[in-house]
Amino acid sequence: GNSVTQMEGPVTLSEEAFLTINCTYTATGYPSLFWYVQYPGEGLQLLLKATKADDKGSNKGFEATYRKETTSFHLEKGSVQVSDSAVYFCALSDLTNAGKSTFGDGTTLTVKP
Amino acid sequence: DADVTQTPRNRITKTGKRIMLECSQTKGHDRMYWYRQDPGLGLRLIYYSFDVKDINKGEISDGYSVSRQAQAKFSLSLESAIPNQTALYFCATDSGDTGELFFGEGSRLTVL
Repeated sequence: GNSVTQMEGPVTLSEEAFLTINCTYTATGYPSLFWYVQYPGEGLQLLLKATKADDKGSNKGFEATYRKETTSFHLEKGSVQVSDSAVYFCALSDLTNAGKSTFGDGTTLTVKP
Repeated sequence: DADVTQTPRNRITKTGKRIMLECSQTKGHDRMYWYRQDPGLGLRLIYYSFDVKDINKGEISDGYSVSRQAQAKFSLSLESAIPNQTALYFCATDSGDTGELFFGEGSRLTVL
């Protein structure tokens, strides 16, 4: 079956530090890959996505590249801000699983001033 | 207004009580989901529905039931709540085309 493994947290960084959150996946088909973000007290919202190998998703200074050879989709940001403090979820959607999503366990990021 | 609305947002109840969490959406999507979020466990799928006449169990359906009253409405029920059902519950929808999920703001349930 499909699975998503995320870097364990929590992660604490100082403002303007570089962020990487690792994500690797196992899928039977050719999945689309997603990063969702959950700000405190809110639901999840899409941060970025990539639908095929070598695609790069980007949004709000965050980037992730779909690497089929390493089955990875690592999230990066060059300079984090306090407002980036949130829980980040890596996920995949696979048509061989009726398009249902599989989520990682989430990584909590805290950015300190 | 939010595209996916959940009610109630917070609920405290006692063991053995029946609880219903409601979800409505204005996205026009046929596909709707109920997830449960527990700290460190990510999101786990409880039930999903791909159209009004379609109901499917997810990975943790025991102790839960659902009703799809209309394309826009999908309710989750706990017939007899127990303390380990204390969690944050999310409703979500998708179009079936892109895989992107649209979430409600969550319903926090506490079972005493």
